[in-house]
Amino acid sequence: AQTVTQSQPEMSVQEAETVTLSCTYDTSENNYYLFWYKQPPSRQMILVIRQEAYKQQNATENRFSVNFQKAAKSFSLKISDSQLGDTAMYFCAFMKRRETSGSRLTFGEGTQLTVNP
Amino acid sequence: DSGVTQTPKHLITATGQRVTLRCSPRSGDLSVYWYQQSLDQGLQFLIQYYNGEERAKGNILERFSAQQFPDLHSELNLSSLELGDSALYFCASSVAIRGNQETQYFGPGTRLLVL
Repeated sequence: AQTVTQSQPEMSVQEAETVTLSCTYDTSENNYYLFWYKQPPSRQMILVIRQEAYKQQNATENRFSVNFQKAAKSFSLKISDSQLGDTAMYFCAFMKRRETSGSRLTFGEGTQLTVNP
Repeated sequence: DSGVTQTPKHLITATGQRVTLRCSPRSGDLSVYWYQQSLDQGLQFLIQYYNGEERAKGNILERFSAQQFPDLHSELNLSSLELGDSALYFCASSVAIRGNQETQYFGPGTRLLVL
């Protein structure tokens, strides 16, 4: 079974600064995805970024980038130029891609990020 | 807007009752997933359907059941409700490419309150 661990329950950052959220995972799979989802106060689950395990290049989406260290099973999220709208709970998630055994998301406990003006 | 729709948005009911939550996946997605988010259990996978067939089961109680219909919408049925079933229930959907499931996109959720 896969496990995902987010060791920072809460973090805060000043507007326009950079913050990094940590995530580690444990799996014996080779074909998988890693995701960061955000959940703002509206409680909607919004995809932030995804990383395919077979790709060595770190994924980037505008101000969001990841540091994917496959051997260390580490997957951190960096948010640059933080904005007030980035205030949310951030979940790291793992998903096997093999269809035959199902493709559930396994989530970490979440990190509550607050961006201060 | 993810393209996944869920109804109702809110549901208030009493213990012992039965409710049905409905989900319509994104156009073209054959897989539907149900998740429960509660304060004490976090986000937990309940069940996955793929093109009408159950594909994977997680921590779903026997009082809960689900199905996916030929038009690919899915329903989650919760019966003999208990206070502890109060939670936010999410549906997600994904497309499969060459046997691999792709990114899951979430609906807005149904907030269930059992009194």
